[in-house]
Amino acid sequence: QVQLQESGPGLVKPSQTLSLTCTVSGDSISSGGYYWTWIRQLPGKGLEWIGYVYNSGATYYNPSLTSRVIVSLGPSDNQFSLQLSSVTAADTGVYYCARGPYYDFWSDSRLYGMDVWGQGTTVTVSS
Amino acid sequence: EIVLTQSPGTLSLSPGERATLSCRASQSVSNNNLAWYQQKPGQAPRLIVHGASSRATGIPDRFSGSGSGTDFTLTIDRLEPEDFAMYYCQQYGTLLPVTFGGGTKVEIK
Repeated sequence: QVQLQESGPGLVKPSQTLSLTCTVSGDSISSGGYYWTWIRQLPGKGLEWIGYVYNSGATYYNPSLTSRVIVSLGPSDNQFSLQLSSVTAADTGVYYCARGPYYDFWSDSRLYGMDVWGQGTTVTVSS
Repeated sequence: EIVLTQSPGTLSLSPGERATLSCRASQSVSNNNLAWYQQKPGQAPRLIVHGASSRATGIPDRFSGSGSGTDFTLTIDRLEPEDFAMYYCQQYGTLLPVTFGGGTKVEIK
């Protein structure tokens, strides 16, 4: 059974960097064909894709956040991370990590959506 | 960016009724890479349908997805009490960014 778990500070000061880690169990980030994704949900709002990383280390970001975001593999095996710099109160919300989509090499297409999610972690930006 | 518009915003129905949720894309979704998620308060979203019409693992067959191109539908036959929740559509195709619709709330009438 694949499980994802977010971890990191629940409180970040304005202008600082939000850093979260997602630990994956039951699957291997390095050997599979999945993208590993960060998504957030701001208070009372819908879902916003932040970005994802492939097992090669290739990354893709939401243009609305690209100047402030880094998604990367690590720091340990079967973990991937999110860094969001220069945070403001508008970045307060619930941050989720998720598995997917799956990249099918032969058809050059993305499949299955995001099929496994972490429980989410609440991050508050406040001084 | 592909903008997804969900309608209605709120659907008020009774248990046992059928729910029909719509998701319209501003441009064609590649390979029908369209998913539906269910979210309950305080919980993470749960994948219901991927590829526009394929049910995710463990999802009951009262949930069905249909559509292609720019118009997609999620149908829930015979609503059960546990089906009352928020539903989001999402496109995850080759055209980035990945985007979500604004959601449809299915509430008990």
